[in-house]
Amino acid sequence: GDSVTQMEGPVTLSEEAFLTINCTYTATGYPSLFWYVQYPGEGLQLLLKATKADDKGSNKGFEATYRKETTSFHLEKGSVQVSDSAVYFCALVKTSYDKVIFGPGTSLSVIP
Amino acid sequence: DADVTQTPRNRITKTGKRIMLECSQTKGHDRMYWYRQDPGLGLRLIYYSFDVKDINKGEISDGYSVSRQAQAKFSLSLESAIPNQTALYFCAAAPGVHLANTGELFFGEGSRLTVL
Repeated sequence: GDSVTQMEGPVTLSEEAFLTINCTYTATGYPSLFWYVQYPGEGLQLLLKATKADDKGSNKGFEATYRKETTSFHLEKGSVQVSDSAVYFCALVKTSYDKVIFGPGTSLSVIP
Repeated sequence: DADVTQTPRNRITKTGKRIMLECSQTKGHDRMYWYRQDPGLGLRLIYYSFDVKDINKGEISDGYSVSRQAQAKFSLSLESAIPNQTALYFCAAAPGVHLANTGELFFGEGSRLTVL
């Protein structure tokens, strides 16, 4: 079945470091891909999205590019801040069933 | 005020008890969802509803039931709680357009349930 795999955490970075969180997916057809973020004590919120191959989603300094050839959607940020400490979830949706399938999440801690 | 509100936020109960988690939304969205979050497993879909008369099972519906009392209200029940239902539960709402285009689920803040 369709699924999403993410790099295991937790990830700990110093402020201003470069961030990459790997995400790969397994799905037939052409899913849409998303990154959600969960700040401590809160629900998830959509961070960015890409609906077709080679699309780049971006928001709040985060970017991810939909790579169909490698079935990947890696999340990157050039300079992380303490306020970016959260759990990040990669997710996919296929139009055939219109439900969101989430990866296991990657916890990020940014230290001053 | 939050657009999606869950009650209670925390609940401790005993094995065999009936528990109801409630969810209400002010965004007027047609679709509502219940997810369960466990460490290392991400979010798994329990039930979802595309409108008041349309209820569907998700991937882990056994041991749970739901009721869509109105467009704005979607409650989750555990008829006889067991310890492995200890988890963080999230309700979410979405507009009645293809999620593949928007991807946007609007989540509540979660209900932490502990079953002893």
